Amino acid sequence: ILNVEQSPQSLHVQEGDSTNFTCSFPSSNFYALHWYRWETAKSPEALFVMTLNGDEKKKGRISATLNTKEGYSYLYIKGSQPEDSATYLCAFWASGGSNYKLTFGKGTLLTVNP
Amino acid sequence: DVKVTQSSRYLVKRTGEKVFLECVQDMDHENMFWYRQDPGLGLRLIYFSYDVKMKEKGDIPEGYSVSREKKERFSLILESASTNQTSMYLCASSLLGRGNEQFFGPGTRLTVL
Repeated sequence: ILNVEQSPQSLHVQEGDSTNFTCSFPSSNFYALHWYRWETAKSPEALFVMTLNGDEKKKGRISATLNTKEGYSYLYIKGSQPEDSATYLCAFWASGGSNYKLTFGKGTLLTVNP
Repeated sequence: DVKVTQSSRYLVKRTGEKVFLECVQDMDHENMFWYRQDPGLGLRLIYFSYDVKMKEKGDIPEGYSVSREKKERFSLILESASTNQTSMYLCASSLLGRGNEQFFGPGTRLTVL
């Protein structure tokens, strides 16, 4: 069973603060890492699909980095806004074995206070 | 606008009932998935399908079955609902192949009394 860990479990920040959280995954057999944002009462939506060591991706105020050799990814939010409040999920895709199975972390719940 | 829809947002059933959860996607995706989400646990894969009439067990298939008669529709069946199947159920779809992002439905919160 693959272990994908996210930290912290939850986070409260003030509007305007910048924040970041971590996803740790097995460093061997890496194929891809996904980040999803899941807002309350909505569907999870993909933020980033990352495949290369050293990858950095950006979407507006949100960015992510990837280190496949040490098995971690960071998600950064610059100048948090209340609408950023959501659960952020990372999911690991291993090479070899099944070609469909994503292993999800338990998520980081972000609350941005106005 | 791509879409994955699920038949119900909220559902309440009694122990022993047969329950059908329906999922439809309009993106012509080959892959479809059923997950459940429980407090303190990540999304756990119940079943997966990569083609019509094809299915694969995920991590927690016990107590569930699935049906995929048409490419756009993937059904999750609880043969005899039990209280430990009270959960949030999410359907997702993706293009065939490894590593493609998954598109999720809004979820069905099922309560089994």
